[in-house]
Amino acid sequence: DQQVKQNSPSLSVQEGRISILNCDYTNSMFDYFLWYKKYPAEGPTFLISISSIKDKNEDGRFTVFLNKSAKHLSLHIVPSQPGDSAVYFCAASALAFGNEKLTFGTGTRLTIIP
Amino acid sequence: GAVVSQHPSRVICKSGTSVKIECRSLDFQATTMFWYRQFPKQSLMLMATSNEGSKATYEQGVEKDKFLINHASLTLSTLTVTSAHPEDSSFYICSARDLETNEQFFGPGTRLTVL
Repeated sequence: DQQVKQNSPSLSVQEGRISILNCDYTNSMFDYFLWYKKYPAEGPTFLISISSIKDKNEDGRFTVFLNKSAKHLSLHIVPSQPGDSAVYFCAASALAFGNEKLTFGTGTRLTIIP
Repeated sequence: GAVVSQHPSRVICKSGTSVKIECRSLDFQATTMFWYRQFPKQSLMLMATSNEGSKATYEQGVEKDKFLINHASLTLSTLTVTSAHPEDSSFYICSARDLETNEQFFGPGTRLTVL
């Protein structure tokens, strides 16, 4: 039972354009969402997060949007740079319920084309 | 940011042997550490939650007698894969929760290959 889903296993974007990575979840108890970037043979690196009380959070080139009614979040990267090529995981937790465990999606491999 | 280290970074062992993986928080204290496993092209799957000074909490389907977890101090948790078999070959990643900020930081991972 995959509670966090990333339906696009891969995405290619031209350098300078916007990259949009999508994530859907099924557990309505999730109230905190995070995006991680991961290179091969390395641990995930935190990028940005959003609490369910917000619908948008921005940090530099990265913006995360949350649509609670649709149980959908997206990560926007603009402008995309070659160094952004990596696998991106979204993750969710239910902090208000005292559950800090992260449930990860399956990841989307982003390739930025120079 | 905070640093979490894992040792070894990669290990190759024979079937039937036991392998210990260490996870250390280098510049912060962590009462809680998490152990994940990632198979190729799949998501990170939480195996267990390690709490300092108490028994680990294992996720459904994870054998606690096979994956022994010890969290003896606020900066160190160990995962021992006992009697490893080829199907245990995977990428094992730990994360540590900073006691003060509640943020989770991930280690670089350990690639285990069981022959």
